[in-house]
Amino acid sequence: DQQVKQNSPSLSVQEGRISILNCDYTNSMFDYFLWYKKYPAEGPTFLISISSIKDKNEDGRFTVFLNKSAKHLSLHIVPSQPGDSAVYFCAALNAGGTSYGKLTFGQGTILTVHP
Amino acid sequence: DTEVTQTPKHLVMGMTNKKSLKCEQHMGHRAMYWYKQKAKKPPELMFVYSYEKLSINESVPSRFSPECPNSSLLNLHLHALQPEDSALYLCASSQAGTGGFIEKLFFGSGTQLSVL
Repeated sequence: DQQVKQNSPSLSVQEGRISILNCDYTNSMFDYFLWYKKYPAEGPTFLISISSIKDKNEDGRFTVFLNKSAKHLSLHIVPSQPGDSAVYFCAALNAGGTSYGKLTFGQGTILTVHP
Repeated sequence: DTEVTQTPKHLVMGMTNKKSLKCEQHMGHRAMYWYKQKAKKPPELMFVYSYEKLSINESVPSRFSPECPNSSLLNLHLHALQPEDSALYLCASSQAGTGGFIEKLFFGSGTQLSVL
């Protein structure tokens, strides 16, 4: 039972354009969401997060949108750069529950930004 | 220093061997984690330590034995592993809030383990 899903295994965009990565979740107890970026042979690196009390969080070129009614979140990268090419993982947790720190990850989306 | 250091980076072991993976952080984090990631799959939680005490064990087989000797170190002792245990083993750390609220995890680069 996959509680966090990233339905697009890969995404290819041109440098300077917008990259939109999508994530859906099924567990209504999730109340905190994070995006991680992973390069080959490295551990995931935290990118941006959003609490369920918000619908948008912005940090530089990265914006995460949350639609709680649809149980959907998306990560927007504008403008995209070749250095953004990596695997992007969506993750969720029940921050108010007893299983803190138990991130549930999506399968990841491979983003390729072409010069 | 925002680094989580894992050693070794690569490990090949036989099914009868005993080995240990090591993880170290000096960010003052009091929560530390072991995750396992198979190829083309997301990371999966194995263990969580909070204030040096094991707080979550995700029904991991006993051939994996975690240890947290102090607030900066986390070990994973391996014994009698199977070939299907071959994976990338990731260590992570985070703040441990009073309500157990964790915002973000800092991950190490992982140990790529191959069991022959």
